[in-house]
This record gives sequence, C-alpha cells and structure tokens, in this order.
Amino acid sequence: DAEITQSPRHKITETGRQVTLACHQTWNHNNMFWYRQDLGHGLRLIHYSYGVHDTNKGEVSDGYSVSRSNTEDLPLTLESAASSQTSVYFCASSPTGTSYEQYFGPGTRLTVT
Amino acid sequence: GQSLEQPSEVTAVEGAIVQINCTYQTSGFYGLSWYQQHDGGAPTFLSYNALDGLEETGRFSSFLSRSDSYGYLLLQELQMKDSASYFCALRDNYGQNFVFGPGTRLSVLP
Repeated sequence: DAEITQSPRHKITETGRQVTLACHQTWNHNNMFWYRQDLGHGLRLIHYSYGVHDTNKGEVSDGYSVSRSNTEDLPLTLESAASSQTSVYFCASSPTGTSYEQYFGPGTRLTVT
Repeated sequence: GQSLEQPSEVTAVEGAIVQINCTYQTSGFYGLSWYQQHDGGAPTFLSYNALDGLEETGRFSSFLSRSDSYGYLLLQELQMKDSASYFCALRDNYGQNFVFGPGTRLSVLP
C-alpha cells in the first residue's frame, strides 16, 4: 500500500547542531509540505514543494531549509537547531490540483536541548 | 495575511449533533478544508468546500459562506471515537500558503 513515512520518529539534539528530518511518500504525489505543531498554534506551514526542484517558503521558514531532488522525498533541515524549534513536525503530500486534501505522515517529535 | 478562529473546546454527549465553527480573515482563498486529529496521531482529511453551501460525507457535513467569512463542521450521531481535535484550513490565492486554525478539541461523553 502507498504511504508516507517520517524518520526518525523521535529525536533529541543539542542547540547549534544541524538536524535533518526525512519524509518519504510512495503515492507519487507532486505536492509535499512540512508543518510544525505546537500547543496553542495548530499546524504552521514551514516549506512546501509542488514538484521536483520546486521549493517555497511557508509562514515559519526561518531556520529551516528543504530540497526536492525526486518526487518521493522532501527532507527538512534545521541548519542550527534552537530550543524554539522543539516541536512536533509533520510531513504531508497531495496530488496535483488537490492540495486541499493532504495526507500526513506520523510525525517526528524533536527536542532541542 | 490570513487568520482563522475556532472555539478551543466543545463537549457533547454520544448520539448528539455538534457544530464546530470556523471564522476567517483573508483577502482571497480557494476553499476551506477540515481535518481531524486524535491525540498522538496525524491529521486526517475530512471535508472540503470550494463553493458556498453544504457538503455531506456520511455523518460529517461541512458548510461554507464566503459572504459571512464563516464555515462549520457538523458531526451527527456522535460516537466516542469522534473525541479528537478538529482543524479548519485554507489556502490563500496569492502566496499559496496553507493556514490552519488553532483547532477545536471535541470531547464526547457517554
């Protein structure tokens, strides 16, 4: 069955370290998204991509980067982790033209100490 | 920019009907989506309104009124498993940013 996976599921890192969170989907969706979820803020869009080599900044992109070298993967990199980036991160994907219906991965809980 | 508002909590009993409201401020958007999220889980898509009016999907219905900048999710025949958080979300016409509301936590009591 097609699916969307995230790894690792849990990560503890130190302030200042570079961290990469993986997202892999097997639906062949063109659209992929990264969100963070914090109590009281719902989901906030970090970056999104509408196809290979396409990336766009979302609402809270500072301190994060993404690259899209193939359809299946959209890794999220925290260049220099900060305590304010402690959060739960969700990756999502959707087919072209139906970005309103996104399929979410299980999430990665990141703690920056 | 865009912003969405939802009540933080709603409580209802099993078998009842509950309405979760979403009001928004945006200069233009494609449509309003609704997602469900159980504690510790990932959001799952429930419904989408591109046009004004009611969309029905089984026990769940969603409504949109662009003139009133308002939408709601209606859950009928509530079940214990409906206890979860519910989020409205929209994509604006310009920056194509997706914006989610803060979420409404629904508690279904026996």
